[in-house]
Amino acid sequence: SQKIEQNSEALNIQEGKTATLTCNYTNYSPAYLQWYRQDPGRGPVFLLLIRENEKEKRKERLKVTFDTTLKQSLFHITASQPADSATYLCALVWNYGQNFVFGPGTRLSVLP
Amino acid sequence: DTAVSQTPKYLVTQMGNDKSIKCEQNLGHDTMYWYKQDSKKFLKIMFSYNNKELIINETVPNRFSPKSPDKAHLNLHINSLELGDSAVYFCASSQGRGLGGVEQFFGPGTRLTVL
Repeated sequence: SQKIEQNSEALNIQEGKTATLTCNYTNYSPAYLQWYRQDPGRGPVFLLLIRENEKEKRKERLKVTFDTTLKQSLFHITASQPADSATYLCALVWNYGQNFVFGPGTRLSVLP
Repeated sequence: DTAVSQTPKYLVTQMGNDKSIKCEQNLGHDTMYWYKQDSKKFLKIMFSYNNKELIINETVPNRFSPKSPDKAHLNLHINSLELGDSAVYFCASSQGRGLGGVEQFFGPGTRLTVL
């Protein structure tokens, strides 16, 4: 079965630095990979989607890469701010959309 | 205007009871979902409906029954509640047939506590 891992459960970085979060999967190559942000007590909010034939996607200070050889996606937040502190979830879709799984999430804390 | 709304926000009930959670979206989306987020924060898909048709039905106990009266509503009914059902339940919706190729919009969640 597909197993998804995200780097450490919690990540602390200094304001202004680049935060890099990882999402690794074990088996089936996903057709899509999505990243969401979740704040305490709220539902996830969509950030970026990358397809299996795309290497990189950007949106403002966010960048996602997708390496199907390494079975890994990296999520970068440049010039991080305390307001970026949240849990970030990756989600994989494969098998023509019949399978959809969220990773366990990484809790990011950006320290002022 | 709230895009995806759920009621109630909190639900505390005794074991063995039957309860329902309601979800409505005003985005005009065709696909709606129910997710369960347990105490370890794992977010797991339970059901997906497209235009009132069930398209994803993960392995959940048949005590859980989704009902979609129209494409803007997807309610979750739970029979004979058990302690392990305690979790936060999220409703979500997306354009088209969904299933990962598009973004999902999540509701605020319903925290269910079974005593």
